[in-house]
Amino acid sequence: ELKVEQNPLFLSMQEGKNYTIYCNYSTTSDRLYWYRQDPGKSLESLFVLLSNGAVKQEGRLMASLDTKARLSTLHITAAVHDLSATYFCAVDIPDSNYQLIWGAGTKLIIKP
Amino acid sequence: GAVVSQHPSRVICKSGTSVKIECRSLDFQATTMFWYRQFPKQSLMLMATSNEGSKATYEQGVEKDKFLINHASLTLSTLTVTSAHPEDSSFYICSAKKGLRYEQYFGPGTRLTVT
Repeated sequence: ELKVEQNPLFLSMQEGKNYTIYCNYSTTSDRLYWYRQDPGKSLESLFVLLSNGAVKQEGRLMASLDTKARLSTLHITAAVHDLSATYFCAVDIPDSNYQLIWGAGTKLIIKP
Repeated sequence: GAVVSQHPSRVICKSGTSVKIECRSLDFQATTMFWYRQFPKQSLMLMATSNEGSKATYEQGVEKDKFLINHASLTLSTLTVTSAHPEDSSFYICSAKKGLRYEQYFGPGTRLTVT
């Protein structure tokens, strides 16, 4: 069964702290996506990780991919309130027109 | 580039009526569009994959006679919710991709409320 599991599903943290969201997947896809969703809004693409060992950073967010372990992490450094959102990871299925398999999402609340 | 629009952004309709949601790729040709629905506090659920000029492929459990999808051109796909009921109330999101490329570009979503 194709599954993408995120943890934690809910995370409340203080500004200035560091934390990591984990994304495990069961397929052999080598493309891992991270998206952000604000309440009532659609998805914003954050990162696409294309190969084993890939690391991408944008501001206080850094994503990495270990295809051997089928694990991706989204690391938040010195969190600020503006990063409060729900974060989804997903992998695609190349043989199915790159259909995405989604994680359940991690709701991140950053308290001032 | 790679902008996808949806119309309407919000719609309220009465139970038993039909409502059409449009998904447009504004600056590229989308050979494939995906339709998702999202319930509150849940992840996205793929409803169907739509390829231009052919019938949509529906996911298991999605009623194709209730959720009519048409992808008549390379820039437009429509989702029609027929005989809507309150349980159809949801956030509907479309995405589009170009040719054989893997990236999906997401529309802003349509909030459907059925009263």
